Amino acid sequence: AQSVTQLDSQVPVFEEAPVELRCNYSSSVSVYLFWYVQYPNQGLQLLLKYLSGSTLVKGINGFEAEFNKSQTSFHLRKPSVHISDTAEYFCAVRGAGGYQKVTFGTGTKLQVIP
Amino acid sequence: DVKVTQSSRYLVKRTGEKVFLECVQDMDHENMFWYRQDPGLGLRLIYFSYDVKMKEKGDIPEGYSVSREKKERFSLILESASTNQTSMYLCASSSLATLGNYNEQFFGPGTRLTVL
Repeated sequence: AQSVTQLDSQVPVFEEAPVELRCNYSSSVSVYLFWYVQYPNQGLQLLLKYLSGSTLVKGINGFEAEFNKSQTSFHLRKPSVHISDTAEYFCAVRGAGGYQKVTFGTGTKLQVIP
Repeated sequence: DVKVTQSSRYLVKRTGEKVFLECVQDMDHENMFWYRQDPGLGLRLIYFSYDVKMKEKGDIPEGYSVSREKKERFSLILESASTNQTSMYLCASSSLATLGNYNEQFFGPGTRLTVL
């Protein structure tokens, strides 16, 4: 079994400030990790993914995330946020190998304040 | 661009009604998924399908069924709608992943269903 914990349900941050959205996972097998973003009134879209290799993963819109196996974390960061980053962000995990379903976290709402 | 469309953005039904939610994708994807999204609970998988006429239960299949008669279309059916099925329903599709890889799930815009 696998699970994902997003520690913050809401994160307010001022425009041009840095942000970190936290994600911790648990799994008995090797994992693939993802961040998805959901803009208001839209479906989810993939922001970035970690499958293997470099633990620092860069995604769209200037976001990046770092896979930390010892701390079972996959935190999402951006050095300077924009108003347009206001959205809900979902961390997700999937067991590596074969076909396994993706488990989503409960989401973090990022509110960028002008 | 991959496009996943859902038949309705908003739907209001009465308790006990049979409800059909339709999803269509235009990229010849093998896999299709139905999730429900609730505040504080994130996305939960209801059913998925990896081929025509094939279906697998997800985490919360109770009260739902699905149909996949054509590759591009995946329907979610609420046999007898109840108020606790009021939710946002999201459909997604993805191509079949090769070993050691993961193919992105593409999501539709969602259907917000209210059961009165």
